[in-house]
Amino acid sequence: EAVLTQSPATLSLSPGERATLSCEASQSVSSNYLAWYQQKPGLAPRLLIYAASSRATGIPDRFSGSGSGTDFTLTISRLEPEDFAVYYCQQYGSSLPITFGQGTRLEIK
Amino acid sequence: EVQLLESGGGLVQPGGSLRLSCAASGITFSSHAMSWVRQAPGKGLEWVSGISGTGGSTYYADSVKGRFTISRDNSKNTLYLQMKSLRAEDTAVYYCAKDPLFEPYPLFDYWGQGTLVTVSS
Repeated sequence: EAVLTQSPATLSLSPGERATLSCEASQSVSSNYLAWYQQKPGLAPRLLIYAASSRATGIPDRFSGSGSGTDFTLTISRLEPEDFAVYYCQQYGSSLPITFGQGTRLEIK
Repeated sequence: EVQLLESGGGLVQPGGSLRLSCAASGITFSSHAMSWVRQAPGKGLEWVSGISGTGGSTYYADSVKGRFTISRDNSKNTLYLQMKSLRAEDTAVYYCAKDPLFEPYPLFDYWGQGTLVTVSS
């Protein structure tokens, strides 16, 4: 199974700024089956991006995903106060078990 | 509206058992694979187990294989996780999560609110 390494562990930015979160896989992710989730304190994760770059239902267009192979990026073009949360990447579509990245905490500067 | 509602969590002693349930609504339950994902306090997400839409195929993380059993009752739109021989390291919030496909991708497009399992003496 691929190991997913997210960076940075913590990202401190201000509302209105651009956020760039990275996810690196230890082996190529088949068909770019890479997802991103957002989790706020005390709440369940929410699917943001699937297939590396497709936004899930209801996700604002300030969220975008890119990348292929082993390197993937989640970009939030202009941070809103509600975007400060923990973000996880996950590979899927290959043999189980699947793994998540360890998460990136996006905090208000 | 898709809703997933977990129940059955609580405090259990090491070596004990517990059964979690997840009641689904707003979906054609039998058309979707389902999974359990857990999160230990202050930690990241860990996939635990998955099951196909019919229940004919089941999958487990190595950490729970032989101790946990996933099942589903499509007539009741309910997913289960039977947990035995519980250990302190099983302490976590357990989420049920829906897959968009019939077989586990697994990709999780909807999540329940979670139920807390605490294993302690």
